[in-house]
Parts: sequence; C-alpha cells; structure tokens
Amino acid sequence: GAGVSQSPSNKVTEKGKDVELRCDPISGHTALYWYRQSLGQGLEFLIYFQGNSAPDKSGLPSDRFSAERTGGSVSTLTIQRTQQEDSAVYLCASSPVGGWTKNIQYFGAGTRLSVL
Amino acid sequence: AQTVTQSQPEMSVQEAETVTLSCTYDTSESDYYLFWYKQPPSRQMILVIRQEAYKQQNATENRFSVNFQKAAKSFSLKISDSQLGDAAMYFCAYRSGVKEYGNKLVFGAGTILRVKS
Repeated sequence: GAGVSQSPSNKVTEKGKDVELRCDPISGHTALYWYRQSLGQGLEFLIYFQGNSAPDKSGLPSDRFSAERTGGSVSTLTIQRTQQEDSAVYLCASSPVGGWTKNIQYFGAGTRLSVL
Repeated sequence: AQTVTQSQPEMSVQEAETVTLSCTYDTSESDYYLFWYKQPPSRQMILVIRQEAYKQQNATENRFSVNFQKAAKSFSLKISDSQLGDAAMYFCAYRSGVKEYGNKLVFGAGTILRVKS
C-alpha cells in the first residue's frame, strides 16, 4: 500500500477484554514502531521492531501489553485484560533502513481504543 | 533521558500571516535529529520538516522553516503565509543518533494551531 495502514480505526471494548490492533507498514520498511497518544500522557513510545533483531520493548507500560511482527511486515499489538486507562489512540509508524529518508518515521492514522 | 518541551499549548494566526511555534529540548548527546510533525483531525501524523543536529544550516520546506539553535537547545518552527489547511496540532520530536537507543521519537506535548480567516 501507499502508506501505513492500521485497523480497526476505532475499537470499543469492555474492561477486562483482550484487544488486538493491527499495523501494516509501508512495503519495504524494515523498522516498525508503536506509540500511544493519550490525554494525560501525550505521545509515548511503546515498542520498536528492526528487521530480525530482538524488539525494543522498553516502552511497554505493563505485561498486559505485547506485540509481534510476523514475517518482518505486519505487526499486532495485543492488550490483555484491558483497563480504562488503556483508552488512547495507538499509532503505528514505519521507516526504511537506508536512503535519505531512513530517519523519517511515517505514521498511520491510528486506532482509537475506548475501554468502557 | 531526553525531554522535549513545547511551552505554547495553543496559538492563533491570521490567514496569510506568519507564526512561530516554540520547542526546546534537553539532551547530553551531540548527534541527534529533530522533527516537526503535524497532526490534523484525521489523526495521521505528517512530517513537516526535519533537522540534523550536525547541520548548521536551518532546514526549510516551502512555507515552513526552522530556527535551530544547538547551543540553546531550541528548535522553533516558522510558518509563513499561513493557510487554513495549516490548522492542526504540531508536535516537536527528538530522535537520538545513538544506534543503541533504537530510533524512537520523543515528543513534546504539542501546540494547537488555529488559523483565522
């Protein structure tokens, strides 16, 4: 696709349920990032994938959060036993490994998660 | 840890006028990158302009330019000839040049820009 694609666009869930958020990066981009945007905390880094290297999980707020990237492309962010404080917009970004754009992250439109 | 501060929660500008958004950052590194991203109501973050710390020349992209003051750790964005389509949330962001830090972006709190017709 032409850009980073995220699905669903909006997700409403009940407290305690598990949710999966999907990110399809720009074709050929080896780096993939997840960020969370919330009213109280602003924009926070969650996790970073680069090729076949071990992911940088340093931003994940708790062990209820996990992410995987299959085949070096699509990524899924999973939140288990959702809490109301998980309500936020979850943004995905990707970047290429080389070229003059290698330091630029291209973002998707995000998934707005609402936990009732 | 690096921090980014945007001290203006909200700014307004008249159409066709010029506005400057402020950003300061704190780091002990010498190699890094700075960015301004725009986030319209559609939520998608769009890169406006970027600056490499090793470059002394200020970056420009059409109506957008930055004033990069490395010693003062300041990185302001100037928007000339403001247009209604410029109305959005603007985020200043920092990225370390140290590979081990993984290229993540550290964002400021954002500035809402309103453009008056």
